[in-house]
Amino acid sequence: GAVVSQHPSRVICKSGTSVKIECRSLDFQATTMFWYRQFPKQSLMLMATSNEGSKATYEQGVEKDKFLINHASLTLSTLTVTSAHPEDSSFYICSARGRPVTKDTQYFGPGTRLTVL
Amino acid sequence: QQQVKQSPQSLIVQKGGISIINCAYENTAFDYFPWYQQFPGKGPALLIAIRPDVSEKKEGRFTISFNKSAKQFSLHIMDSQPGDSATYFCAASDAGGTSYGKLTFGQGTILTVHP
Repeated sequence: GAVVSQHPSRVICKSGTSVKIECRSLDFQATTMFWYRQFPKQSLMLMATSNEGSKATYEQGVEKDKFLINHASLTLSTLTVTSAHPEDSSFYICSARGRPVTKDTQYFGPGTRLTVL
Repeated sequence: QQQVKQSPQSLIVQKGGISIINCAYENTAFDYFPWYQQFPGKGPALLIAIRPDVSEKKEGRFTISFNKSAKQFSLHIMDSQPGDSATYFCAASDAGGTSYGKLTFGQGTILTVHP
């Protein structure tokens, strides 16, 4: 099956700093990548959709200046949480989809646990 | 109209029993219905998926039943094992539409299988 990796798996940072999370598709070209956040015992909340080479589309209520998404290549997307605060602490998960290899299936990364002190 | 409603919130089953999780949707444009399994601290993993042109799909111990007219679909886990204890999410998308296959997730079901 298709493999998606994320780095780092865990990050702890001080309030006010910026954190970058990488999402890579290892064995297919990801034409579309998605970024989610998940709070404990809750469902996944889509933050944004990004297509290679174009600007990300953010869901309502997600601050695009705070959560910067870059999808610079067909195998890499990055999420940067700028000026992080404790309320940004969450589990961030990316997923990737790439026709024709994955067809309509989204494959998820292992997630990144962000803790902001 | 974008919601996917999932039930039950939690489910306890004895080893060897059948686990059943149900989902309902409103958006008739949805044409792709996957189920994901998630263990604590991990990303969701695709279990099985179905399209509306079939009413049932089986892969090993996992079966999806799909009722297009009722706009409902369900996951059946046969011979449930303690290793199946996880959170299960149903999802739906308009795979061929302009949303790039954006998934709408159900609320999740925490399954516990007792030995």
